[in-house]
Amino acid sequence: NAGVTQTPKFRILKIGQSMTLQCAQDMNHNYMYWYRQDPGMGLKLIYYSVGAGITDKGEVPNGYNVSRSTTEDFPLRLELAAPSQTSVYFCASSWDNSYEQYFGPGTRLTVT
Amino acid sequence: GENVEQHPSTLSVQEGDSAVIKCTYSDSASNYFPWYKQELGKRPQLIIDIRSNVGEKKDQRIAVTLNKTAKHFSLHITETQPEDSAVYFCAASDNYGQNFVFGPGTRLSVLP
Repeated sequence: NAGVTQTPKFRILKIGQSMTLQCAQDMNHNYMYWYRQDPGMGLKLIYYSVGAGITDKGEVPNGYNVSRSTTEDFPLRLELAAPSQTSVYFCASSWDNSYEQYFGPGTRLTVT
Repeated sequence: GENVEQHPSTLSVQEGDSAVIKCTYSDSASNYFPWYKQELGKRPQLIIDIRSNVGEKKDQRIAVTLNKTAKHFSLHITETQPEDSAVYFCAASDNYGQNFVFGPGTRLSVLP
């Protein structure tokens, strides 16, 4: 199993540009999550999904959108990128909210 | 919603000594308490977890204790080694998909 994969690994965006961060898991997990981690800080939940077709906001959803059309994929969309969105983005998946979350390798995003 | 506090924010110990990191949570419905280790530039990985029906759990040099009445749980690392140096995050969640909250993290340095 590949586990949780994320693409791209690195990206530089100009202010106002848009992009989609890809996340896929091959463990047939129901739950998927997107976090952001600012330098030297903890993990902040952006959005999560409890199954295909169901998504919900986390602590810091503004400026982001998600979709979950399949069990495997959970892309995160950034519209109108801002410098405040410079961060490392981690995708994670789990069986449910009371089991281990498996993290992807992260995407390092810089907005200038 | 759930709020998780974690102390200390930084911790330095001599190799071979013990390290203790403490977390408190606010939501009495939380019933799952994992600990994640994040090495520099890497993804968070689960090192141990505990559920609300258990007071203590051990795995070799690592142990976690839970006091549901006081709403706090602690990570204990004995015989620390340089490879234990990392950032440690506690978290708390319930079964309902809306509360999976990480603490702000503790940077542990094990000095040779």
